[in-house]
Amino acid sequence: KAGVTQTPRYLIKTRGQQVTLSCSPISGHRSVSWYQQTPGQGLQFLFEYFSETQRNKGNFPGRFSGRQFSNSRSEMNVSTLELGDSALYLCASSPGLAGGDTQYFGPGTRLTVL
Amino acid sequence: GQQLNQSPQSMFIQEGEDVSMNCTSSSIFNTWLWYKQDPGEGPVLLIALYKAGELTSNGRLTAQFGITRKDSFLNISASIPSDVGIYFCAGQRRYGGSQGNLIFGKGTKLSVKP
Repeated sequence: KAGVTQTPRYLIKTRGQQVTLSCSPISGHRSVSWYQQTPGQGLQFLFEYFSETQRNKGNFPGRFSGRQFSNSRSEMNVSTLELGDSALYLCASSPGLAGGDTQYFGPGTRLTVL
Repeated sequence: GQQLNQSPQSMFIQEGEDVSMNCTSSSIFNTWLWYKQDPGEGPVLLIALYKAGELTSNGRLTAQFGITRKDSFLNISASIPSDVGIYFCAGQRRYGGSQGNLIFGKGTKLSVKP
């Protein structure tokens, strides 16, 4: 079974721009969660999607948004980028519901904001 | 955001040594997980614990879910060079319709003794 895939792996943007990151979960997994990893704050939860609905949201500003498609693929968007948004963005998938909720991570997208 | 207290922050290992690390929290969790992250990659799941008091092994790795549900430890026996990396504990608490986001420790960095 293929693992979680994330595209792109690396991205460089400038302040004020917006960015969209993509995540394809493990086949059959219906839940997708997003996390931000920085040296200072560590791994912080952004949001969780299940069946195209956001079920849970972390403590991030509204510039961070996401969505999930009917095939469980997910995207997250960051608008009006700030220098502090530079981070590794990780996507994790889990079966969801009766299938269990153990989360498996993708390799991440390294975002650098200049 | 909330984080777990993970210790030690870093440690040096010599091949063949046993290694221990632990995580504590002021809150109760339903699930404890241990991940390992190599540079430039996403966290890889090592062990998942679902019940208070549970002791689970995965090869040379052994982890326990504390009876109080507020702590967990990970032991690595007879360490080898490829054990080098950053180990994260994570607690998960299901509620409502959500699977519950992961709350992470700051990580334990394992390096080879010079």
